[in-house]
Amino acid sequence: IVLTQSPASLSSSPGESATLSCRASQSLSITYLTWFQVKSGQAPRLLLYGASNRAAGVPDRFSGSGSGTDFILTISRLEPEDFAVYYCQQFASSPYNFGQGTKLEIK
Amino acid sequence: QVQLVQSGAEVRKPGASVRISCRTSGYTFSSQWLHWVRQAPGQRLEWMGRVMPSGDNTVHAQGFQGRVTMTTDTSTRTLYLEMGNLTVADTAVYYCTRNWQGPFDYWGQGTPITVSS
Repeated sequence: IVLTQSPASLSSSPGESATLSCRASQSLSITYLTWFQVKSGQAPRLLLYGASNRAAGVPDRFSGSGSGTDFILTISRLEPEDFAVYYCQQFASSPYNFGQGTKLEIK
Repeated sequence: QVQLVQSGAEVRKPGASVRISCRTSGYTFSSQWLHWVRQAPGQRLEWMGRVMPSGDNTVHAQGFQGRVTMTTDTSTRTLYLEMGNLTVADTAVYYCTRNWQGPFDYWGQGTPITVSS
């Protein structure tokens, strides 16, 4: 299953919302779609699993939705610490691929 | 609490081999798949394969089969990754992580491997 993320990069300002997309090459159960946040020099951080369930400690301004082949990560009320690279990943079938990432930058 | 602690940075010449480790704690070691994921500079995260402790049942991503060995030591709760015939393209940060019928929830801090002549 190939995951394609869009846009490749996104410029937003603190306080705004950002919408990131992840499209799968074939239908995927929502159970097996996760989102990660990666900051420079740090390990990936699990944000959302089951496409819409927040991991422990993840603020509620992060939300997810989607079904089938199209999934969305929405970050509302952007905070300075939210500017990072975001990856979607599927673990429905091996290889457990990641998307190419969306870089969220400060405008 | 769950922890995955990886070994330190490595530098190798092309053609050499390397072995890195990931020591786990805070959960039942044999209950979760352990995975290796790498990220080359400017590239996406790349899943390399997984291994189940106690039996070393492994699955490798295409492209790593035959060149990568993933093993575990249940006595020390440690995961190992050994890669041979290194090339410059193997320069990356290597992460261990775990899952069982759920997301990859805990990750090691990463081990940089640099391959350079």
